[in-house]
Amino acid sequence: EAQVTQNPRYLITVTGKKLTVTCSQNMNHEYMSWYRQDPGLGLRQIYYSMNVEVTDKGDVPEGYKVSRKEKRNFPLILESPSPNQTSLYFCASRGRRRNEKLFFGSGTQLSVL
Amino acid sequence: QQPVQSPQAVILREGEDAVINCSSSKALYSVHWYRQKHGEAPVFLMILLKGGEQKGHEKISASFNEKKQQSSLYLTASQLSYSGTYFCGTELGGNQFYFGTGTSLTVIP
Repeated sequence: EAQVTQNPRYLITVTGKKLTVTCSQNMNHEYMSWYRQDPGLGLRQIYYSMNVEVTDKGDVPEGYKVSRKEKRNFPLILESPSPNQTSLYFCASRGRRRNEKLFFGSGTQLSVL
Repeated sequence: QQPVQSPQAVILREGEDAVINCSSSKALYSVHWYRQKHGEAPVFLMILLKGGEQKGHEKISASFNEKKQQSSLYLTASQLSYSGTYFCGTELGGNQFYFGTGTSLTVIP
C-alpha cells in the first residue's frame, strides 16, 4: 500500500531536549516536505526536498533542520525545541512532476513544555 | 504569499450547496484542494492546472481562473460526510507550497 509513515504520532518533550520526527515513503517519490499546522494559520511549509542531498527552506524554517540522505526518508530535527514549536506536524511526498498530488503522513502532535 | 480563503466558516444543512473561494496575489502554476477531518491528515480532492479548467469529484467540483489567480470549490447537495476543513494549496515557482488558512464546513442534518 502506498503510504507516508510518520513517527511518533504523539510526542511530549521539554524545552531544549533534541528530538527527531521520522518520515518515510514507499512510493519512490522525489519530492518530500514538512508542514506545521496551527489553529487559524493553516498548513505552513517548513522545508522541502527535491531529491537526495537537496533541501530548501520553506516559509517557516527557523528552529528546524532536515536531512535527505536516502530517497525514502526525510526526518525533521528540532535541536533545541521551544514551546512555540508546539504544533501538529505533517510530512508529505509526491513525484517529480509539479502537477501531482501530495500524499500526507498521519501527523505528529508535538507538545513542548 | 499564503492564499486567502473565504469564507472562514460555513454551516449547511444536508442537501444545500456551498462555494469556497481561494485567491492569490502571485501567479499560480496550479491549485490543489484538500479536505481535513479534525486531527487527521489532509485528503486530496483535486488539482487544477489550466485557466478556466473545471474538474469534478463526486458532487464536488472546482474551477481555476488563471488570469484572476482564483479558484473556487463547489459542493453541491452536501452530505454529512462533507464536514471538515477545506484547504486550497498553491505551488509557486521553485516548488514552494502555500496553503490557505482553511474553511471550516459543517453539515448538519
